Amino acid sequence: DGGITQSPKYLFRKEGQNVTLSCEQNLNHDAMYWYRQDPGQGLRLIYYSQIVNDFQKGDIAEGYSVSREKKESFPLTVTSAQKNPTAFYLCASSLGLAADTQYFGPGTRLTVL
Amino acid sequence: ILNVEQSPQSLHVQEGDSTNFTCSFPSSNFYALHWYRWETAKSPEALFVMTLNGDEKKKGRISATLNTKEGYSYLYIKGSQPEDSATYLCAFVKAAGNKLTFGGGTRVLVKP
Repeated sequence: DGGITQSPKYLFRKEGQNVTLSCEQNLNHDAMYWYRQDPGQGLRLIYYSQIVNDFQKGDIAEGYSVSREKKESFPLTVTSAQKNPTAFYLCASSLGLAADTQYFGPGTRLTVL
Repeated sequence: ILNVEQSPQSLHVQEGDSTNFTCSFPSSNFYALHWYRWETAKSPEALFVMTLNGDEKKKGRISATLNTKEGYSYLYIKGSQPEDSATYLCAFVKAAGNKLTFGGGTRVLVKP
């Protein structure tokens, strides 16, 4: 089954701890994206990567870090520097061009206590 | 940060009725507009990608139009059914850009 997986579905962490969210795709897509959703708001872009070993900041990158060592994987680390980390996080992938459809994972809901 | 707005934020529709809602985006430097449907407890799914002024796309009972000169797109649902209940997101792509800027979404609830 081709698609995007994110794990875990729910994640709880104590304030001050770093946490890494997993995103894996087997669609052979070049581009991958991380979005954040807060209640009543649309999706906001955190980071994106168009090719392995390269990534760019999105609109709200502060307090987050990513890596893209493999085509299939684009993990997101929420660091202790992120002031409001509690949110719903969505990962997506696409063939690579801006007009290409993005395919989304099921999301991870992070709660920082 | 680009301004992409969707209105209304939410709407209730009686089963069988038709409805439409709007996505507004910058009218300059347009490259593409995406529409996605996001049902509760599921992942967002692509509906349309539109690139040309005057584009009209259709998928079943759902259709969309695009006006790049004035910076808006309409999404229409004909004969709404309960399974159409979802949040509909639009996303703007500017020329020479490679990322999507999403609107806040229109939440549609179809009542039987």
